[in-house]
Amino acid sequence: QSVLTQPPSASGTPGQRVTISCSRSSSNVGLNIVNWYQQLPGAAPKLLMYYDDQRPSGVPDRFSGSKSGTSASLAISGLQSEDEADYYCATWDDTLDAPVFGGGTRLTVL
Amino acid sequence: QVHLVQSGAEVKKPGASVKVSCKASGYTDTSYAISWVRQAPGQGLEWMGWISAYNGDTNFAQKFQGRVTMTTDTSTSTAYMELRSLRSDDTAVYYCAIQMETLVPPDYWGQGTLVTVSS
Repeated sequence: QSVLTQPPSASGTPGQRVTISCSRSSSNVGLNIVNWYQQLPGAAPKLLMYYDDQRPSGVPDRFSGSKSGTSASLAISGLQSEDEADYYCATWDDTLDAPVFGGGTRLTVL
Repeated sequence: QVHLVQSGAEVKKPGASVKVSCKASGYTDTSYAISWVRQAPGQGLEWMGWISAYNGDTNFAQKFQGRVTMTTDTSTSTAYMELRSLRSDDTAVYYCAIQMETLVPPDYWGQGTLVTVSS
């Protein structure tokens, strides 16, 4: 069981807006800085969002991140077929002194 | 732009050891850490441990303590992860990922190394 909880799947049609949530299992513990990764089929994870809501160079502004208290969200607007991938959130766990990952969300573009 | 290049795929027998390398480029500072994360077929990401390139400090997931060693060679900007006493359920893609700041999750990832454990 992952420390961070994500829905196992999400879907949308081209052009739609989709949101993927990421919440801390221990609801009384806030989230530290959250990163999001996109993993295309057969590829390594790629940094999609860092410091909760910052996009690395080259990531389209269709992707946005937010965080409030014990949960974070990744939103994808103007959904495109190439967005079909697995998405993972991650944060730092102060007790473990380690990064912890969500279980991943498989996004399907219908 | 930071770039991590890992060593090639490995096939090992149960009980053997595997050592995976990860060479960093595009980042001259040594104040970073390398995490090793694995992904079993069809599964999510599992953090194994991290090593500081600055001072060699390590922290391993409890599951791997006693079975994993992580080292760095700052002269070549290369990190290594050795996993011993391999079992079939260690079959996975092993990733290195760089943490360029403390207390934040990894930023950039290597391309992955497939380790297959089979008799």
